[in-house]
Parts: sequence; C-alpha cells; structure tokens
Amino acid sequence: EIVLTQSPGTLSLSPGERATLSCRASQSVSSSYLAWYQQKPGQAPRLLIYGASSRATGIPDRFSGSGSGTDFTLTISRLEPEDFAVYYCQQYGSSRLTFGPGTKVDIK
Amino acid sequence: EVQLVESGGGLVKPGGSLRLSCAASGFTFSSYSMNWVRQAPGKGLEWVSSISSSSSYIYYADSVKGRFTISRDNAKNSLYLQMNSLRAEDTAVYYCARLDIAAAGPGLDYWGQGTLVTVSS
Repeated sequence: EIVLTQSPGTLSLSPGERATLSCRASQSVSSSYLAWYQQKPGQAPRLLIYGASSRATGIPDRFSGSGSGTDFTLTISRLEPEDFAVYYCQQYGSSRLTFGPGTKVDIK
Repeated sequence: EVQLVESGGGLVKPGGSLRLSCAASGFTFSSYSMNWVRQAPGKGLEWVSSISSSSSYIYYADSVKGRFTISRDNAKNSLYLQMNSLRAEDTAVYYCARLDIAAAGPGLDYWGQGTLVTVSS
C-alpha cells in the first residue's frame, strides 16, 4: 500500500505570498494518478489538480501542480484570502485511493 | 448542474447498522465509477469504497472490508453504503464522490455535502 506524507503540517503565510506544499509517496506513483484537493471548514473537498499538473474545471491559474515519481508539489503563486484552507494530495492505484494527511495553510 | 445528495446518517449504537444513500443528478450516473470517502471529526480524508459504473468492480478499504457493502442502482441514479457491525471509529462524515477518469488522470471531481454517522452508546 502506498503511503502519502505531506509537509509541512501547517503553513502560515500572508495574502499575496507564495505557498509551496509537498506530497511524498512511499513508492513511485504514476503522475497520472496524483491529485490535489482543497477543503474549507464545513465544506466538502474540491478537486484542484489531477494527473499531477492538470487544473480541474474552474480552478484559477495561480494553482499549479508538478512532480513525478515519489515527490509532488502544489504551488499557489499568490495567496488570495479564499485560499486559506486544508490541502490534501491523493493517489489512485489498483483501483484504490489513498489520501495524504493534509497541509493546513493559515493566515500569518 | 451535477448534484450529489447524501442521506441516511444518524446516531447508532456500536454493533448496529445503517444504510447511506447518495442521490445523483445532472449527469449520466451510469457512466461513472462512484466512491464513498469519510472524514472523522477533526481528521483527514479516508477512502472507504468504490464501485464501477456497471457494478462489475467493487473495492473496499481494509478498515471496512467485511462490514460495509457498496451498491448502486443506475435506474434510480443512486449509490448506497450498507454499514454493519459499526464501531466507534466509524464515526465520521461520509461523502459520496464521482470519479472522473480524464485523459490526464482520475480525480474525484464532484462531492456531496456529506452525512454524519455517529456510533455511540
């Protein structure tokens, strides 16, 4: 079973700053099978990135994904007030899904 | 507009059973694999189960295998999760989510609002 680790656990930044979130897999993951989600309090998660780097419908271009193998990154180029939330990476393998523990991006 | 609406959550005693439903609309339900994902209070996301479009392929997380059963009725545009032998650690918000197998890769592109299951005596 592939285990996903996310770092940092919490990222404290100010609006306008750049956020870099890391997701590391315990073994190699096909880039096609790595996705990122955003979740705000009291809301369902929202798909941001799939296939490691493709933005989902309606996602602003300040969100970008990159990486391959075991190391993946979600970058938010300039934080907007609505971007402060928890972010999860997720891999899809053998028809099963695994989520990382999440990174909370909060206001500094 | 794609909509997923869960129902059936509530308070149940340990060892009890509950059946969750997810009503889908706004898309061709029979063309998509569907998933249940849960989130314990204050915790992260945990995938529970998935079912292919025609129910041919069904998968479970080890934590629920043998206790939970996923099913769907394409004629009714509905997804179900039968939960038996419930434990305190099954307490969570349960979300149904659609899996989109895009050319670039799969993702859970639509989610319901969730239904809370509380297992407590």
